[in-house]
Amino acid sequence: QSALTQPRSVSGSPGQSVTISCTGTSSDVGGYNYVSWYQQHPGKAPKLMIYDVSKRPSGVPDRFSGSKSGNTASLTISGLQAEDEADYYCCSYAGSYSWVFGGGTKLTVL
Amino acid sequence: QVQLVESGGGVVQPGGSLRLSCAASGFTFSSYGMHWVRQAPGKGLEWVAFIRYDGSNKYYADSVKGRFTISRDNSKNTLYLQMNSLRAEDTAVYYCAKDANYGDYLIDPWGQGTLVTVSS
Repeated sequence: QSALTQPRSVSGSPGQSVTISCTGTSSDVGGYNYVSWYQQHPGKAPKLMIYDVSKRPSGVPDRFSGSKSGNTASLTISGLQAEDEADYYCCSYAGSYSWVFGGGTKLTVL
Repeated sequence: QVQLVESGGGVVQPGGSLRLSCAASGFTFSSYGMHWVRQAPGKGLEWVAFIRYDGSNKYYADSVKGRFTISRDNSKNTLYLQMNSLRAEDTAVYYCAKDANYGDYLIDPWGQGTLVTVSS
């Protein structure tokens, strides 16, 4: 149950696009299409942004998109806005009713 | 709408015990699996435990197995986490979260969390 690997930080200017990677193994990210992404603002609970690799819950802007290749999933945020500045966490189902999260990525909007 | 309200956090000495509760409303509690997820100060999220809708099966992260027990009372719409033999590294905000209505193996939504501090 090792944590998924995410970059500690990424940054971009308003209007630009950024991509956050999430690398696991064939036992989690690579083995299931059950990767989700959460946004967390300081002091707040995580908010679901992407599920099942690339699906968006109702109410999440289409600026947020997800994908996966092999053992690595990615979250792309296009048209960056100031309110996107937050921590982002990936999560993968890892089989036998267990889940694993990434270490988190701090997004800074310059 | 779904509401999950955690309680029971506080300061406890190493080796001590604490029981967290999560009061659920806005959905049919007895129909959904439930999770506990924690976040150490300044750190990332860590899945802790999952219980099936009827309490028949329980699953734990290796880091808490044998020390923590997840349970539920469907008549009270309440989820619990009994934490024993607490260690400094168990210090974290503990979130209660629901198995999502949509998608599979999806954790959503989450409560606001309760802080547990293990310190002498």
